[in-house]
Amino acid sequence: AQTVTQSQPEMSVQEAETVTLSCTYDTSESNYYLFWYKQPPSRQMILVIRQEAYKQQNATENRFSVNFQKAAKSFSLKISDSQLGDTAMYFCAFIHGGATNKLIFGTGTLLAVQP
Amino acid sequence: GAGVSQTPSNKVTEKGKYVELRCDPISGHTALYWYRQSLGQGPEFLIYFQGTGAADDSGLPNDRFFAVRPEGSVSTLKIQRTERGDSAVYLCASRPSNTGELFFGEGSRLTVL
Repeated sequence: AQTVTQSQPEMSVQEAETVTLSCTYDTSESNYYLFWYKQPPSRQMILVIRQEAYKQQNATENRFSVNFQKAAKSFSLKISDSQLGDTAMYFCAFIHGGATNKLIFGTGTLLAVQP
Repeated sequence: GAGVSQTPSNKVTEKGKYVELRCDPISGHTALYWYRQSLGQGPEFLIYFQGTGAADDSGLPNDRFFAVRPEGSVSTLKIQRTERGDSAVYLCASRPSNTGELFFGEGSRLTVL
């Protein structure tokens, strides 16, 4: 069974500093996608960044980047120059690229950006 | 609008009642998902539709839960004989058939008294 583990229930960072959120996953498949979603109090899941497993290069989206270690099954999110608007729940998620197309989420990390 | 729309935004009901939650996906998205998110938890998969058919309903917790998508667009999640443990936010997402990204709605918060 595929699982996603986020070992940090809560994190705090000062505005303008850098923070890294951890995620590990378990799968026997080789074709899959990984995501980080942000969920503010409005409840809507917002995609932050995605990574295809077949790509060796780490994905980057402005202040957000990932450290994808396929052999270690690790997918951490780095947020640079943290802003107050980054305060939210962050979920790591995995989807298999084959027929079983369900997105599996971790338990989330609550990130608080302090002024 | 251009996003996934869910109604109602909030629903309060009494134990034992029947509830329907509606999801209107992004136009043209063939895949549709329902998730349940309890307080402080990550979303749990319930059911996935590809077109009109349920391709994977392995996450439905019991036979009180049922979902339909008769025309391959709008979907309705139906919960019979609601229990207090059904209280959660029910999230819907849609996805184009050939990409990995899911687009989520804002969810329907169900409270069973």
